[in-house]
Amino acid sequence: DGGITQSPKYLFRKEGQNVTLSCEQNLNHDAMYWYRQDPGQGLRLIYYSQIVNDFQKGDIAEGYSVSREKKESFPLTVTSAQKNPTAFYLCASSMGGADYNEQFFGPGTRLTVL
Amino acid sequence: SQQGEEDPQALSIQEGENATMNCSYKTSINNLQWYRQNSGRGLVHLILIRSNEREKHSGRLRVTLDTSKKSSSLLITASRAADTASYFCARPPSGSARQLTFGSGTQLTVLP
Repeated sequence: DGGITQSPKYLFRKEGQNVTLSCEQNLNHDAMYWYRQDPGQGLRLIYYSQIVNDFQKGDIAEGYSVSREKKESFPLTVTSAQKNPTAFYLCASSMGGADYNEQFFGPGTRLTVL
Repeated sequence: SQQGEEDPQALSIQEGENATMNCSYKTSINNLQWYRQNSGRGLVHLILIRSNEREKHSGRLRVTLDTSKKSSSLLITASRAADTASYFCARPPSGSARQLTFGSGTQLTVLP
């Protein structure tokens, strides 16, 4: 089945630790995105990548880092510099080539800082 | 940054009734999309409407776009309890066709 997967579903972190969230897609999409969602809120863009080995900061990139070494994978690291990391993190992908591209979302990772 | 908001923030209706959600935005767009999110899940794309379209249908969904008023609406007809979810509009931010800016969403509750 084609799709986009995220792991783990739930993640707990102690203050001061870095954690990495996984995002994999087998849709052959060029573009991938990371969003943060706080309770009752919309999505805010953290980072996005239009092509392998290239990525751009979104609206709230501080305290986060990403890599795009493979087309299928776009991991997100939440660093200790992120002061309020408890949130629901969503990864998405899109074809990225044309102007009107829907985004396909993974099931999300809920990160809780203890 | 989020450009525009959905209205209302929350909506509660009885099964069988119609639900209407509105989305306003501030800058010109080339398309607008609607997504659905069940609690604790990822978003699912519902429908995309281009700036040169005024209305689009998909099953029980009807989306309208008024570029002069910078607004869009999503109508769900004959609602079902399974339609209970959050609904978001999304559009490319000015100058970028490949990103999407999401509104804060409308929480729809359909009571059986």
